[in-house]
Amino acid sequence: NAGVTQTPKFQVLKTGQSMTLQCAQDMNHEYMSWYRQDPGMGLRLIHYSVGAGITDQGEVPNGYNVSRSTTEDFPLRLLSAAPSQTSVYFCASSSRQGDNYGYTFGSGTRLTVV
Amino acid sequence: AQTVTQSQPEMSVQEAETVTLSCTYDTSESDYYLFWYKQPPSRQMILVIRQEAYKQQNATENRFSVNFQKAAKSFSLKISDSQLGDAAMYFCAYRDDTTSGTYKYIFGTGTRLKVLA
Repeated sequence: NAGVTQTPKFQVLKTGQSMTLQCAQDMNHEYMSWYRQDPGMGLRLIHYSVGAGITDQGEVPNGYNVSRSTTEDFPLRLLSAAPSQTSVYFCASSSRQGDNYGYTFGSGTRLTVV
Repeated sequence: AQTVTQSQPEMSVQEAETVTLSCTYDTSESDYYLFWYKQPPSRQMILVIRQEAYKQQNATENRFSVNFQKAAKSFSLKISDSQLGDAAMYFCAYRDDTTSGTYKYIFGTGTRLKVLA
């Protein structure tokens, strides 16, 4: 069972570059989300999706785009990378119905913007 | 808006001893879930334990147990017989089960636990 797969694990970008962080889950989870983790700030929600074709903003959405064309995939796009986006990014998923065991997390992507 | 507060940025415990990590939260909802996640140096987030707000009985998972006090909005994690492998960052998280089904999670800022041999 793969669970939640995030790629890449590490990435260095130059300011102004764009890139996409990939997230895929094979558990048929309806709910998927992206968080960023910064020291002393815990995990902050960037964007989330309650199902294919439906996305919404979280706490810190600026500078990021998402789409959910399939149940399995939920990519996060950085449009024009800035040093403030240096962080560790986590994708997470859960089932909306009957699954109260919290999130399943990916292994994270450490992004550095120089 | 819901908030989750972990007031202890760092804690230390001697191997085989017991340690309690604190978490408080603020909400006006009556139905919600609370979680403790562990993040070891590998960075992987691992669910440790969960508690449903409507259950009065405190959740337990082997050496891990919680002290859930709904009226005080407190949700502490007790780790008994601490082991070196327990060293990690621990995050408290709140999830409200709204009828809209958005299931938003709010995380605390984390407590780094060091286990001393």
